[in-house]
Amino acid sequence: GESVGLHLPTLSVQEGDNSIINCAYSNSASDYFIWYKQESGKGPQFIIDIRSNMDKRQGQRVTVLLNKTVKHLSLQIAATQPGDSAVYFCAESEDNQAGTALIFGKGTTLSVSS
Amino acid sequence: DVKVTQSSRYLVKRTGEKVFLECVQDMDHENMFWYRQDPGLGLRLIYFSYDVKMKEKGDIPEGYSVSREKKERFSLILESASTNQTSMYLCASNESTDTQYFGPGTRLTVL
Repeated sequence: GESVGLHLPTLSVQEGDNSIINCAYSNSASDYFIWYKQESGKGPQFIIDIRSNMDKRQGQRVTVLLNKTVKHLSLQIAATQPGDSAVYFCAESEDNQAGTALIFGKGTTLSVSS
Repeated sequence: DVKVTQSSRYLVKRTGEKVFLECVQDMDHENMFWYRQDPGLGLRLIYFSYDVKMKEKGDIPEGYSVSREKKERFSLILESASTNQTSMYLCASNESTDTQYFGPGTRLTVL
């Protein structure tokens, strides 16, 4: 079946470094992808999304890259800060199905040390 | 800003009790979702609803039911709580196929 997974369960970086969190997906029909951030004891918070007609999208300090050829998604965080420490999830869905739930990866825990 | 609220942050219930988890969204979203989140298993979809009084089973509906009598409110019901339903429960909503916005979660412990 289809699933979305992340390459690494944990990632540790130093404050100020750039972080790259990766995600592989297997459903070639997926055309909408989202990155969420979840801090301890809170619900997932939307960070950035991208649709399959794009290969790059930038937000504030974050960039999402989509490589449809190898079905790979990544989240880049520039100048990582201690407040970025959280679990990051990628999620995917097929846009043409109203009400379709997202399929989530298991998450990567990002730890930022000062 | 979208706001999704859940009735309780923490809940402790006994085995066999009937449990109601409430979720309210204030953005007039069509779709609402209930997930549970467990260590090592990620988020798993229990039920979702794309309209008032409509519901669809997700990946793990067993032991749960839902109710959507009003557009803004989606309730998750555990008819007879069991210890394996101890989990973090997350509600989400969206419009059409747009981004889902999540509530803060309810951490349920069943003793």
